[in-house]
Amino acid sequence: DAKTTQPTSMDCAEGRAANLPCNHSTISGNEYVYWYRQIHSQGPQYIIHGLKNNETNEMASLIITEDRKSSTLILPHATLRDTAVYYCIVRVGRGSARQLTFGSGTQLTVLP
Amino acid sequence: DTAVSQTPKYLVTQMGNDKSIKCEQNLGHDTMYWYKQDSKKFLKIMFSYNNKELIINETVPNRFSPKSPDKAHLNLHINSLELGDSAVYFCASSQESGRAADEQFFGPGTRLTVL
Repeated sequence: DAKTTQPTSMDCAEGRAANLPCNHSTISGNEYVYWYRQIHSQGPQYIIHGLKNNETNEMASLIITEDRKSSTLILPHATLRDTAVYYCIVRVGRGSARQLTFGSGTQLTVLP
Repeated sequence: DTAVSQTPKYLVTQMGNDKSIKCEQNLGHDTMYWYKQDSKKFLKIMFSYNNKELIINETVPNRFSPKSPDKAHLNLHINSLELGDSAVYFCASSQESGRAADEQFFGPGTRLTVL
């Protein structure tokens, strides 16, 4: 699976949009971009995933560049409960390589 | 209802002991996983099981053995525990057949401390 690069940490004011970037310049055509987060002392939680089109769900939006070499996770109105480590992961959608390879992620701190 | 559950939540034991961690999922998924999160917070895959077949086994010592009595359970057995086994262990599940690229659901974790 392709490697990803994320900033170590970011701050965001409560109520504002949080934009978390991720670089995945070696992504292959059949690899999806996944985002998970881990709130302190809890298990990781799925947020969203996409292949090449932008995606939106009740939690967040995912913007993938046209060349697919980078993406941005957007939390439109961050709350204190969104403070967590956010992981950007690329992996194939199906097949034998079902594992998730977690990097070090971005520690997002939402400030009151 | 909890989707992925693990027991126990905390496990403190002596070096050399043998212990088990249980995992159950009620999502009807066909694939289950074990991950290890060490003190530096890196999450690493240990095993995955698909329809009772081990399909991924990373470079994990053979003291660790996953056992799946049925599709809803994947237990982790650890023999001869060592200090370095201290970590948080997460179980997860997903549906890998059919629709592509499904998400994994994680349990709350089991914090293992080896003294």
